[in-house]
Amino acid sequence: AQKITQTQPGMFVQEKEAVTLDCTYDTSDPSYGLFWYKQPSSGEMIFLIYQGSYDQQNATEGRYSLNFQKARKSANLVISASQLGDSAMYFCAMRGFNDMRFGAGTRLTVKP
Amino acid sequence: DAGVIQSPRHEVTEMGQEVTLRCKPISGHDYLFWYRQTMMRGLELLIYFNNNVPIDDSGMPEDRFSAKMPNASFSTLKIQPSEPRDSAVYFCASSLYLAGHTGELFFGEGSRLTVL
Repeated sequence: AQKITQTQPGMFVQEKEAVTLDCTYDTSDPSYGLFWYKQPSSGEMIFLIYQGSYDQQNATEGRYSLNFQKARKSANLVISASQLGDSAMYFCAMRGFNDMRFGAGTRLTVKP
Repeated sequence: DAGVIQSPRHEVTEMGQEVTLRCKPISGHDYLFWYRQTMMRGLELLIYFNNNVPIDDSGMPEDRFSAKMPNASFSTLKIQPSEPRDSAVYFCASSLYLAGHTGELFFGEGSRLTVL
């Protein structure tokens, strides 16, 4: 069975600084995808970034990058130059052949 | 393009009543997922469909919950009878499976259910 673990219930970061949100996973699927979603206080789920298990390079999308360490089964999200609008819940997720499972989430607060 | 459309956005009902949540996935997507989000349990996968066929309903909490997908453009999640512990935000999401890329989920805005 797939398992996603986010060990940081809450994180604080100063505006304009970088922050890393941790995610570890466990799966027996040989091929899988790793995803990060943002959920602001308004409640919608916003897709941020994707990493395939066979991708050789770490994924990047603007200020978001995914630090993928396959041997360690970790897929940490790095947000550079934090903005006040980055304050939200962040969910790590993994998709095997079919379904997608989510971690418990990390609440990020950006301080001015 | 229209995203995933869920209705109703908010539902307040009394214990024992039947609740039906509706979802219209993005046209062309072949996967549809129902999730439930609560503070205590986070985002739980309830059931998902592939090409309108239920693939895994092991996350459906009880027989009071049922889901259908009669065609590619419509799905329902029904709770009968509803109980206060069913109060949550229910999300519908759809995706397109691409070879070599497992495909991100596109979420609806959610249906917030309150059972009194």
